[in-house]
Amino acid sequence: DVKVTQSSRYLVKRTGEKVFLECVQDMDHENMFWYRQDPGLGLRLIYFSYDVKMKEKGDIPEGYSVSREKKERFSLILESASTNQTSMYLCASSMTPYNSPLHFGNGTRLTVT
Amino acid sequence: SQQGEEDPQALSIQEGENATMNCSYKTSINNLQWYRQNSGRGLVHLILIRSNEREKHSGRLRVTLDTSKKSSSLLITASRAADTASYFCATGFISDDMRFGAGTRLTVKP
Repeated sequence: DVKVTQSSRYLVKRTGEKVFLECVQDMDHENMFWYRQDPGLGLRLIYFSYDVKMKEKGDIPEGYSVSREKKERFSLILESASTNQTSMYLCASSMTPYNSPLHFGNGTRLTVT
Repeated sequence: SQQGEEDPQALSIQEGENATMNCSYKTSINNLQWYRQNSGRGLVHLILIRSNEREKHSGRLRVTLDTSKKSSSLLITASRAADTASYFCATGFISDDMRFGAGTRLTVKP
């Protein structure tokens, strides 16, 4: 089975801190995604990557950046955390961008105080 | 962004009953997928149905797709308490990636 591992289950950070969320997948998938999930808004795509060192903006990239230096690892960076970035962050990977299942990690619940 | 929209937002049924959830979308798609999310966890893929398919089954799950109406439905038969979860549809486009709706919260009462 595909395993997508997010480094932290819960995270509490202060406003203004630089925050790193790490995601690792073990199935040699080309594509990796970062979503945030908020009540009533569903999942919103932040960034995705089709290959190493490649990244594409999703629907809500403002305030975030990403890094994909190795195929198995996709990092989400909050440059200067703000309270409105308190959310559940979900990482996913897939074989192809749009016509194969996404495999999700268990999520990181980030609280910014 | 283009994404599916699930209906209803919440559904409560008794164990043993069938549960039906609907998804509508706005533009052409390559495929439509359904996912389940247990409280506080990641999403788990259930079924993928391609745009040239009309119906697909997996165990107690049945998914239909009507591209003329731009809608899909997920039927869970003989529901169990363990089916309690949120269910999401996600649409895949020709040159785009997956977008999700806000989900249907299903509660199955024992």
